[in-house]
Amino acid sequence: NAGVMQNPRHLVRRRGQEARLRCSPMKGHSHVYWYRQLPEEGLKFMVYLQKENIIDESGMPKERFSAEFPKEGPSILRIQQVVRGDSAAYFCASSPGALNKLFFGSGTQLSVL
Amino acid sequence: GQNIDQPTEMTATEGAIVQINCTYQTSGFNGLFWYQQHAGEAPTFLSYNVLDGLEEKGRFSSFLSRSKGYSYLLLKELQMKDSASYLCAVGTGTASKLTFGTGTRLQVTL
Repeated sequence: NAGVMQNPRHLVRRRGQEARLRCSPMKGHSHVYWYRQLPEEGLKFMVYLQKENIIDESGMPKERFSAEFPKEGPSILRIQQVVRGDSAAYFCASSPGALNKLFFGSGTQLSVL
Repeated sequence: GQNIDQPTEMTATEGAIVQINCTYQTSGFNGLFWYQQHAGEAPTFLSYNVLDGLEEKGRFSSFLSRSKGYSYLLLKELQMKDSASYLCAVGTGTASKLTFGTGTRLQVTL
């Protein structure tokens, strides 16, 4: 049973470009969470999605960031017009339902030049 | 909002026992989680406490006191591979959304 799959593992973008981060949850998991981790800081919640629905986006910056989890295919975290401050590790996690432990992917390290 | 505190760094000797403390303030508490994270890798689940008391799982144990907003992770018979960050996280509300502390970086030495 494959774990949570994230790609790419590393992503380099120049300021102003778009970044697309993908996450395929574990088989049978319908809940997806995105977290951001800056060096020497904890994991910060960004958004919680179920299939075709955003349940909680209280941790998402109001501009440039968006997320989706379509009926078919992986969840996508999209960052438009990236800035240097967006450089971080972005982790996706999934769970089979509410009130369950989270299973994390290996993360995408985004570097903005 | 939530507030979670844990020590930034700890050092312990191979074969010893170490206790990592975590205090939290939150509303809508539905459980406390501990995760292990090696540098550059994904956090991996260690333990979950929702009721007061001690949960033991091999070399690792976790304790929770809800009235005190306090938990600890106990690691016995430390091994070099236990050098990692240990993340305390609180679940709130009706979903699996977790709020994480900044993590405790544990260094195991010879």
